[in-house]
Amino acid sequence: GAVVSQHPSRVICKSGTSVKIECRSLDFQATTMFWYRQFPKQSLMLMATSNEGSKATYEQGVEKDKFLINHASLTLSTLTVTSAHPEDSSFYICSAREDRASNQPQHFGDGTRLSIL
Amino acid sequence: AQKVTQAQTEISVVEKEDVTLDCVYETRDTTYYLFWYKQPPSGELVFLIRRNSFDEQNEISGRYSWNFQKSTSSFNFTITASQVVDSAVYFCALSDFYNFNKFYFGSGTKLNVKP
Repeated sequence: GAVVSQHPSRVICKSGTSVKIECRSLDFQATTMFWYRQFPKQSLMLMATSNEGSKATYEQGVEKDKFLINHASLTLSTLTVTSAHPEDSSFYICSAREDRASNQPQHFGDGTRLSIL
Repeated sequence: AQKVTQAQTEISVVEKEDVTLDCVYETRDTTYYLFWYKQPPSGELVFLIRRNSFDEQNEISGRYSWNFQKSTSSFNFTITASQVVDSAVYFCALSDFYNFNKFYFGSGTKLNVKP
């Protein structure tokens, strides 16, 4: 079945560091990918929709300069958390929507646990 | 507004008990999709089921069953003869029918199955 690979799975770094998270669709093309954020014991909240070859669409309240998204190919989207601070610590999950019809409209990556010290 | 409510924050059962996880949704759309996902402690989301708004038939898959009732805007999930491996957080979600662009997740129900 369709698989989405998210890397890295875990990051621990110092405050002020920029962190890049990759989301790859391994066996399908995905014009559209999504980035979610999940705080401990809370639900997933959509941060932004990433479209190949165009600017990402950010949800209300999400700082686009803080969370840079690049969707340079049909199989790869990246999320860069710039100058990360402890409040950015969270679980980030990407998903990819298959361009072809599918029973699963969005395939989720395994998530990245980001801890900022 | 689109909204998914999972009123049960946490449920604890003993192995082999049946358990039902509730999901109530609100939407302005006449056509939509509903989903259930499982999130084990490792964090990944495991797809369980998708149901479109046209199809109110109940579905059974092994020990899992789903009851979709449009009249009450509910899409409940039952695990029969629960097992320890069922312990996880379960999310109900709603998406639009044509674009699948935005998923609205419920707050999740944490299921603890004790041996």
